[in-house]
Amino acid sequence: DSGVTQTPKHLITATGQRVTLRCSPRSGDLSVYWYQQSLDQGLQFLIHYYNGEERAKGNILERFSAQQFPDLHSELNLSSLELGDSALYFCASNQDGLSTDTQYFGPGTRLTVL
Amino acid sequence: GIQVEQSPPDLILQEGANSTLRCNFSDSVNNLQWFHQNPWGQLINLFYIPSGTKQNGRLSATTVATERYSLLYISSSQTTDSGVYFCAVELYFNKFYFGSGTKLNVKP
Repeated sequence: DSGVTQTPKHLITATGQRVTLRCSPRSGDLSVYWYQQSLDQGLQFLIHYYNGEERAKGNILERFSAQQFPDLHSELNLSSLELGDSALYFCASNQDGLSTDTQYFGPGTRLTVL
Repeated sequence: GIQVEQSPPDLILQEGANSTLRCNFSDSVNNLQWFHQNPWGQLINLFYIPSGTKQNGRLSATTVATERYSLLYISSSQTTDSGVYFCAVELYFNKFYFGSGTKLNVKP
């Protein structure tokens, strides 16, 4: 158990809908990363937050947004969902937000868009 | 954009054998990391290794930044080593690009 929790574990929804994925980092970690893993695109870095502020942005679509709250949990919002958004979404956390600091991954949320 | 290529794509080993996984990248990078995803999907960050060599138990990694490649060595492989190994390069601050992975199957 990495100490990072993600909810829900599974999510099935329809095209055009909006969903929110939640991530709670390990106790003491200030930094949260979001990743998408799909059959088509493989693993992709989406976005990084440190202590509530966005620090780096990867291949995140405009239909997707994220935020990190004062209690350090983070949410990834996906809207106007398309079939191609079906994927595993992981979050990871570390203490310092540096790439030299080990990232600890949650178990992922599997999103299926029908 | 930067290209990150991993080889081989698939590898089957007998338990106890050694293996070398390779990651080539097309541009200078700030950092390089290796990850393992077990057959149940859990991701683990193995190493950050922008250059030089690091060891962690039966795993070691070497990055030759000037030649733009990194190697992950697995010695005396065990069935628990099975899964997919990803390398990821950091081009800009905390902006990671992943390879497509090497799928390892260690047979008892």
